[in-house]
Amino acid sequence: ELKVEQNPLFLSMQEGKNYTIYCNYSTTSDRLYWYRQDPGKSLESLFVLLSNGAVKQEGRLMASLDTKARLSTLHITAAVHDLSATYFCAVDNFNKFYFGSGTKLNVKP
Amino acid sequence: DAGVIQSPRHEVTEMGQEVTLRCKPISGHNSLFWYRQTMMRGLELLIYFNNNVPIDDSGMPEDRFSAKMPNASFSTLKIQPSEPRDSAVYFCASSLGGLGLSNQPQHFGDGTRLSIL
Repeated sequence: ELKVEQNPLFLSMQEGKNYTIYCNYSTTSDRLYWYRQDPGKSLESLFVLLSNGAVKQEGRLMASLDTKARLSTLHITAAVHDLSATYFCAVDNFNKFYFGSGTKLNVKP
Repeated sequence: DAGVIQSPRHEVTEMGQEVTLRCKPISGHNSLFWYRQTMMRGLELLIYFNNNVPIDDSGMPEDRFSAKMPNASFSTLKIQPSEPRDSAVYFCASSLGGLGLSNQPQHFGDGTRLSIL
């Protein structure tokens, strides 16, 4: 079974700081997704990464994919309180879709 | 545009009762997914339909769980009989294109919060 591991699981950071969330997966996949979930809410798609070296940016968030290392990163630049949420990475592999455990981000004013 | 619509939003019922969750995918999407989210197990894919056909149901936990997709605009997830350990948030999602084939993300509904007493 494919495993998707995120770290850290919890992240508390000050506004204005930078940080990176890591997503490792255990087998070959060319598709990696990042989602955001606010407490008690649904999941919102952030990024779809489809190839080795893919980099996408939206606002203060930038995601990248290294398929050889089976690693994706979600980098947060100059965090603001509105980014507080849980961030999930997910991988699809042969008709299966696996989510990481999520990283709960708390940005303190 | 309307997103994925799930009903009910909340369901509280007693152990042993039948529970039916409903989902209307985004029009034009040909893949539909049912997920369960709990604190202990996180997000788990239960079943995946493509063009109304179940492609993978290996995530369905037990025979008490069944899912159908009679047409492109409607799906149900049924639990019979329900048990307290089935309490969770159940999400439906849809996408254009199938797993391994598409570059499109899944769009999630608001979920059904199910409590089995």
